[in-house]
Amino acid sequence: AQTVTQSQPEMSVQEAETVTLSCTYDTSENNYYLFWYKQPPSRQMILVIRQEAYKQQNATENRFSVNFQKAAKSFSLKISDSQLGDTAMYFCAWENNNDMRFGAGTRLTVKP
Amino acid sequence: DSGVTQTPKHLITATGQRVTLRCSPRSGDLSVYWYQQSLDQGLQFLIQYYNGEERAKGNILERFSAQQFPDLHSELNLSSLELGDSALYFCASSVDPPGGSRETQYFGPGTRLLVL
Repeated sequence: AQTVTQSQPEMSVQEAETVTLSCTYDTSENNYYLFWYKQPPSRQMILVIRQEAYKQQNATENRFSVNFQKAAKSFSLKISDSQLGDTAMYFCAWENNNDMRFGAGTRLTVKP
Repeated sequence: DSGVTQTPKHLITATGQRVTLRCSPRSGDLSVYWYQQSLDQGLQFLIQYYNGEERAKGNILERFSAQQFPDLHSELNLSSLELGDSALYFCASSVDPPGGSRETQYFGPGTRLLVL
């Protein structure tokens, strides 16, 4: 069965610093997609970044980048120059053929 | 704003009742997904519709059902409600062109259901 594990229930970072959120997954599939979603206090789920498993190049979206290690089944999210608005729950997700699985989430607090 | 709308935002009802949650996908999106986010179960996929037809089923209870209408909006029906059904219900949509690459799901703001 496909599972997604986020081993850090809570993290904090100082404003303007860099933080990395961990995610590992277990799958026997070769082609799949990985996502990071952000859920701020408003509870809206917002897509942060997406990675196709067949692409070796790590995805980047402004201050957000991933370190995708397919062999290790690892998909970490790096947030650079952290801002107060980055405070939220972050969910890692795996998807293949309409089967989408989410991790339990990491609560990130950015401190001023 | 993702472009996905959900109504109502909040819903309070009693055990044994039936409710309907509504979702309008982003313009041009053919797929609609329903998710349940509860404190103890996390975020779980319930069901997907594509262009009016059911495409995939997740952990959806038999008391729950959904449909997608010709205008592509979708409704999730929850019946014989129990206390444990209290949760945040998300709808998401994506393009999903036939035979094309898997597209990203964009989530609506959610409907918060409280069963008393």
